[in-house]
Amino acid sequence: EVQLVESGGDLVKPGGSLRVSCAASGFTFNNAWMSWVRQTPGKGLEWVGRIKRIIDGGTTDYAAPVKGRFTILRDDSENTLYLQMNSLNIEDTGVYYCTTEEDGGFAHWGQGTLVTVSS
Amino acid sequence: DVVMTQSPLSLPVTLGQPASISCRSSQSLVYSDGNTYLNWFQQRPGQSPRRLIYKVSNRDSGVPDRFSGSGSGTDFTLKISRVEAEDVGVYYCMQGTHWRTFGGGTKVEIK
Repeated sequence: EVQLVESGGDLVKPGGSLRVSCAASGFTFNNAWMSWVRQTPGKGLEWVGRIKRIIDGGTTDYAAPVKGRFTILRDDSENTLYLQMNSLNIEDTGVYYCTTEEDGGFAHWGQGTLVTVSS
Repeated sequence: DVVMTQSPLSLPVTLGQPASISCRSSQSLVYSDGNTYLNWFQQRPGQSPRRLIYKVSNRDSGVPDRFSGSGSGTDFTLKISRVEAEDVGVYYCMQGTHWRTFGGGTKVEIK
């Protein structure tokens, strides 16, 4: 059974940084494209970015609102996905989900981790 | 960005009756490989989203066959043949052709 378990969500001040993690199990992690999706009060569900599998180059793509501030990393030896978030602002408040990318969509989701940006 | 517009915003339904949700994209979702990457998700209260349908009409594993997807180009529909109590929640369409964008959601509730 596919399991994705996010952690690391917290209360952060505007301008601050935070790294959230996603522990994956139940599938071949190094063979998967992975994405982060967030759900915010202002914009609903929003794709944040993705990372391809290493054999496809391991490259990343980001949505415009987070490009240059967020970085997605993967550690295939630990079956873990990361989202490093810098220069956080209030609009980044929301639940962050780790997902697998399959067939042009998000096949499996974690339970999410809450990130709150507030002074 | 491709804009996904869902209707209605709210859908009260009677148990056992059919339901239909519409999703329209601001541009064609046909990709260069010939596939149309249109997905449907269900989010029950207090839960994470769950994918029901991918590539317009393909049901994900474990999804009841009362859910079906159809459409082409820019117009798509999710149908529930007979609504059950467990179908209450918010339904989202999402396109995966031009990066990824979600619709605003349709709340399904029981009358």
